[in-house]
Amino acid sequence: ELKVEQNPLFLSMQEGKNYTIYCNYSTTSDRLYWYRQDPGKSLESLFVLLSNGAVKQEGRLMASLDTKARLSTLHITAAVHDLSATYFCAVDPGYALNFGKGTSLLVTP
Amino acid sequence: GAVVSQHPSWVICKSGTSVKIECRSLDFQATTMFWYRQFPKQSLMLMATSNEGSKATYEQGVEKDKFLINHASLTLSTLTVTSAHPEDSSFYICSARGASGGTSYEQYFGPGTRLTVT
Repeated sequence: ELKVEQNPLFLSMQEGKNYTIYCNYSTTSDRLYWYRQDPGKSLESLFVLLSNGAVKQEGRLMASLDTKARLSTLHITAAVHDLSATYFCAVDPGYALNFGKGTSLLVTP
Repeated sequence: GAVVSQHPSWVICKSGTSVKIECRSLDFQATTMFWYRQFPKQSLMLMATSNEGSKATYEQGVEKDKFLINHASLTLSTLTVTSAHPEDSSFYICSARGASGGTSYEQYFGPGTRLTVT
């Protein structure tokens, strides 16, 4: 059974600070996705990582993938309040997405 | 491109009644559609996968007779919750993956349907 573990599950951070969310998974996969979910809303696609060593950046968020370590990271730089949301990583082993439990991020002044 | 819609966006029904939720890919043909359920403050749980023209594949623990899935065309899948009970109240999200339009591997998510059973 594929396991996808995110940590931390809850994160409260001050504006302007940096932090990293980790996503570990238990089986071989070259596709990893990061999504954002706001309360009451569906998923918004942030990043699609398709190969070992892939790095993508959008604004204050940067995602990377190490398929050998089965690890992806989502790095937040100089957080702002608008980044408060729940972030999910998901692994695609070729059948359907397997989601982590999500990281609930709260950015405070 | 690659837009997925769901209807209705929210629905309230009484126990024992059935509710149908539609999922449409608006600008691409979806060879595969997925239905997820999400309880408050939890992750998405895959319920079933459907391919156009064939029977849906249900995940372990999901009652196929209770959650009827039909993928009648390359742009439409429906989920019918039969004899709904309060414990079926949840946020239902569909996603679609297509061979043409968008990418062949990425899933595009609908906006979700919030079901409340009273």
